[in-house]
Amino acid sequence: EVQLLESGGGLVQPGESLRLSCTVSGFSFSSYVMGWVRQAPGKGLEWVSGMTGIGNNADYADSVKGRFTISRDNSRNTMYLQMSSLRADDTAIYYCARLFSGSYVDYWGQGTLVAVSS
Amino acid sequence: EVVLTQSPEFQSVTPKEKVTITCRASQNIGNNLHWYQQKPDQSPKLLIKFASQSFSGVPSRFSGSGSGTDFTLTIDSLEVEDAATYYCHQSSGLRQTFGGGTKVEIK
Repeated sequence: EVQLLESGGGLVQPGESLRLSCTVSGFSFSSYVMGWVRQAPGKGLEWVSGMTGIGNNADYADSVKGRFTISRDNSRNTMYLQMSSLRADDTAIYYCARLFSGSYVDYWGQGTLVAVSS
Repeated sequence: EVVLTQSPEFQSVTPKEKVTITCRASQNIGNNLHWYQQKPDQSPKLLIKFASQSFSGVPSRFSGSGSGTDFTLTIDSLEVEDAATYYCHQSSGLRQTFGGGTKVEIK
């Protein structure tokens, strides 16, 4: 059974950093493009970042470029999102997503809440 | 960055009515367009992949069409359980984007 489990969310102050993790099971992790999608309270879905299976290429939404860094450790079946210089508008549920052939999201995690507030 | 513009933002519909949601891309994305359904406090669920291909287990009343820049999600004969927010998503490269969403309410 495919499972994606996010962790690392919490309450932080503006300007601080946080690292999210997504640990997966039930499939060959290194064979899949993985991504992060977020959803601010009461708002729509926003693509944050994606990374290729072997970790040689990644890209980011303009809203987080230069502040967030995606990475993965295929030996640990885990993807990360290092978030720095956090702002109030980064407050959201962050979902881990598996992309089939780098295209559609066929599996989602349950999400982890990041709240940025003083 | 490809911008996806969904319309309408909100639709109130009677059961058994037909629902049509459109998604327009700011540039040609071929058929790299997918549709999801999200209910409150749940993760999104895939309905349609590559513009018109139904995902496994999705009821046949959901269908998609279009290519290039203009896409449509159709729900034939809306059921009460279809009350949700629907999103389009483009996967042209690693910098992907979502539409703003369409909330479908049951009258």
